[in-house]
Order: sequence, then C-alpha cells, then structure tokens
Amino acid sequence: ETGVTQTPRHLVMGMTNKKSLKCEQHLGHNAMYWYKQSAKKPLELMFVYSLEERVENNSVPSRFSPECPNSSHLFLHLHTLQPEDSALYLCASSQNRLAGPDTQYFGPGTRLTVL
Amino acid sequence: GQNIDQPTEMTATEGAIVQINCTYQTSGFNGLFWYQQHAGEAPTFLSYNVLDGLEEKGRFSSFLSRSKGYSYLLLKELQMKDSASYLCAALDSNYQLIWGAGTKLIIKP
Repeated sequence: ETGVTQTPRHLVMGMTNKKSLKCEQHLGHNAMYWYKQSAKKPLELMFVYSLEERVENNSVPSRFSPECPNSSHLFLHLHTLQPEDSALYLCASSQNRLAGPDTQYFGPGTRLTVL
Repeated sequence: GQNIDQPTEMTATEGAIVQINCTYQTSGFNGLFWYQQHAGEAPTFLSYNVLDGLEEKGRFSSFLSRSKGYSYLLLKELQMKDSASYLCAALDSNYQLIWGAGTKLIIKP
C-alpha cells in the first residue's frame, strides 16, 4: 500500500536541531492530518488541513509547525523539541473532512527520538 | 468528557475466535471505526458501523449497539498474521475521531 507515504521513517534529533517531516498522499484526497502516537495512549490529533487550509489545531506547542503547500503534500517542521516529544508521528488523508463520515488512510509514520 | 475504552491486551490461539470490545462516550455520534495496526506500520481501515447490528467482512465482523455505546470486533479462524493492535475510534457530532488506546492482540500457535 503506497497511498500515503512518509519520510523519513526514523529520525533522531537533538533538542536544538531543526528538522521536517514529509507526507505525500496519492489518493486524490482533500484533507490531511498529523497525529502523534505514544505507547499505550490514544492517537492524538495535532493538525487538520482541508483543501489546504488549516481547520484544526489542537493546542499543539509552537515548536511544531505544519505546512500544507497543496492537497497532496503535508509537512511538519520541528524545532527545539523536548524528549517527551519522542513518539510515532502519523500522517493521514481522507476524501473530504467537512462532508461527514470520512475514512482516514494512514502513512507508515516517522519514529522520532529526541535526545 | 469524551472517552473510548478497550482492553489493553488480549491473547488467543491460532484457529480460534476472539472478540475485542470497545465502549464509547462521545458528544453526539456519527459512527465507529476499527483499524488494525501491525507493529511499526500504518493503521489500516477494517470497518465502519453507524447502524446497529453486525457487519461481516470475511473473517472479521464488527458489531454496534448505539443505545449501549458499545461495539466489538470479532475475528474468526485466527492466523498468526492477525497479531497486531486493534484501534477503536468513534466519530463525534463534529466529525472528529475520538480514539481508544488500542488493544494488542497476541496470537499463540
């Protein structure tokens, strides 16, 4: 399944580094999402973009900065992260976030470790 | 508040049947999803229920009772490849997914 791809798959960074996560969807969807997945915790929705506009920002610290240049690409820019930010970051896409029940399709995630 | 409860871990035997339960409390309800996630991989869509009853899809079935705020995922003829985490998620009145922490299913030979 290559509908949603994410790079890199693994990332180790120091607290003073700046890095970016990339997501690309090949499904023709209009909505894209960033989630944080920590061990034994529910998925935490971070950001939602619909038709390239941010429609949700769930009180995420400013050290996480999303960017959606078009409906196929989504980035998560990271800077001055904390060790507690270490987690699996999942990208997802769906047909149309604002049109009702909508199945989300996920990428394989980026395993982030902050030292 | 909004909440999803599902068991943390379950163990079953190859060839057997297992039922993974999920209870939900949400502000409004627009359906319930089940996803499968193998270790280190993407969650993949299994089922969506919005009406009461059982929906069967091959070896997997999903049940919903809206009045009880309850769903289960039934896996038959278990195979080793079914070892994975199973995520339950309810769609609230704003069409936002409320996720459970997942149930890790271990299949033994």
